[in-house]
Amino acid sequence: KQEVTQIPAALSVPEGENLVLNCSFTDSAIYNLQWFRQDPGKGLTSLLLIQSSQREQTSGRLNASLDKSSGRSTLYIAASQPGDSATYLCALFSSGSARQLTFGSGTQLTVLP
Amino acid sequence: DGGITQSPKYLFRKEGQNVTLSCEQNLNHDAMYWYRQDPGQGLRLIYYSQIVNDFQKGDIAEGYSVSREKKESFPLTVTSAQKNPTAFYLCASSIGGRGTDTQYFGPGTRLTVL
Repeated sequence: KQEVTQIPAALSVPEGENLVLNCSFTDSAIYNLQWFRQDPGKGLTSLLLIQSSQREQTSGRLNASLDKSSGRSTLYIAASQPGDSATYLCALFSSGSARQLTFGSGTQLTVLP
Repeated sequence: DGGITQSPKYLFRKEGQNVTLSCEQNLNHDAMYWYRQDPGQGLRLIYYSQIVNDFQKGDIAEGYSVSREKKESFPLTVTSAQKNPTAFYLCASSIGGRGTDTQYFGPGTRLTVL
C-alpha cells in the first residue's frame, strides 16, 4: 500500500527566503504527483502536477521535482512571501492504490514578514 | 463561473441522525470524489464516481453512502453508523477518472457532531 510522508509538519521562515518542502513515497509505480495548497478552513488548490515521465514542473516562483527511483518529490518556493503561508500537501496517483489519490499529511508553512 | 460548490459550509448533527452534504459542479466533469480530512492528517477517500449511476468505495466508506443520479451532483450522506463523523469533508471532480487528470476541489463542509 502506498504511503506518503511529508516532513517537517510545520515550518516557519522569514520573508524573502528560498525554501524546500519534501514529500516521500514508498511505491515508485506512480502515474503522477500533485502539489496542493490549502488555506485554513478552505478547499485545496492544485499548484503543480508532474507526470511520471517528467522530472520537474515550474509555475512562477514554484518548482516541483520528482525522483521516482528514490521515492521523493520536492517543492521549491523562491523568494517566499507572507501570502505563501498555507498548508502544502502532496498527493500521488499510483497503480497500487486502486486508482486513488494518496495524500501526505501536509507541511504547514508560515512566512514571517 | 465554473467551479465546485459545497453546502452547507458548517453543519451540526446530533448523535443518531443522518445528514446529507451537497456537492455540485458545473465543469462538465465525469468523475467526482468525496474526501474526509481530520486535523493534522491528509485527505482520505470515502467514495468516488467515474460516471453517472456508478460509484466505488474508497478506503473509509463504512458509515457513508452516496448517489450519482446526475452528472453535476454527488451528494454524501453521513449515516448514524459512522462512529466518528466530526471532520472536514471535501468534494472534488476531474474530467475523467484517469491518473493524468487534475482534481479540482470545492471549499469544504465542516461537520460537527454534538
